[in-house]
Amino acid sequence: AQSVSQHNHHVILSEAASLELGCNYSYGGTVNLFWYVQYPGQHLQLLLKYFSGDPLVKGIKGFEAEFIKSKFSFNLRKPSVQWSDTAEYFCAVNAGTDKLIFGTGTRLQVFP
Amino acid sequence: DVKVTQSSRYLVKRTGEKVFLECVQDMDHENMFWYRQDPGLGLRLIYFSYDVKMKEKGDIPEGYSVSREKKERFSLILESASTNQTSMYLCASSLNREDIYYSNQPQHFGDGTRLSIL
Repeated sequence: AQSVSQHNHHVILSEAASLELGCNYSYGGTVNLFWYVQYPGQHLQLLLKYFSGDPLVKGIKGFEAEFIKSKFSFNLRKPSVQWSDTAEYFCAVNAGTDKLIFGTGTRLQVFP
Repeated sequence: DVKVTQSSRYLVKRTGEKVFLECVQDMDHENMFWYRQDPGLGLRLIYFSYDVKMKEKGDIPEGYSVSREKKERFSLILESASTNQTSMYLCASSLNREDIYYSNQPQHFGDGTRLSIL
């Protein structure tokens, strides 16, 4: 069965630290990849998405993600986090089905 | 901007009650989804619909049903609520049926309904 793994369940950083959240999926065919963010008390919103082309995707608020097909990965990065980045981050994959499969989420806490 | 509105932010019901969660979107999206969100489990798809009166089971449909009588409205029904259905419920919508298959459009989410079953 298709699955998405987010190995970092809880990440704690200080402001200005660099961030990388891991996302791995299991599917050998064409995939569409997403990162969603849920700020405290708010709805899920799209951070960035990859469908094709340049495997380095830039999203909102300075986030980027790199699709590495050989590693089945789509890791999220930000060079310098801010306190306002405190949120829960979800990786999601559409892999040849009519459903979006979500990872279990990574809770990020950024301290000033 | 897409607006997905869920009728209640917080809801408390008793075991055995029939519970209705309502979701309305204002962007004429054809696809609508119901998820539940639980700590450590992420989002799990309960049901989705790609057209009026059409519905398909997601990963965890047991104990739930849905209704889509109008394009803009997608209702989730707990036929006989149980304590293990205490959760955060999220509704989402997206454009066009074929977009489910190609996911060219992202899903837009509502604020969620935190449902407690006592």
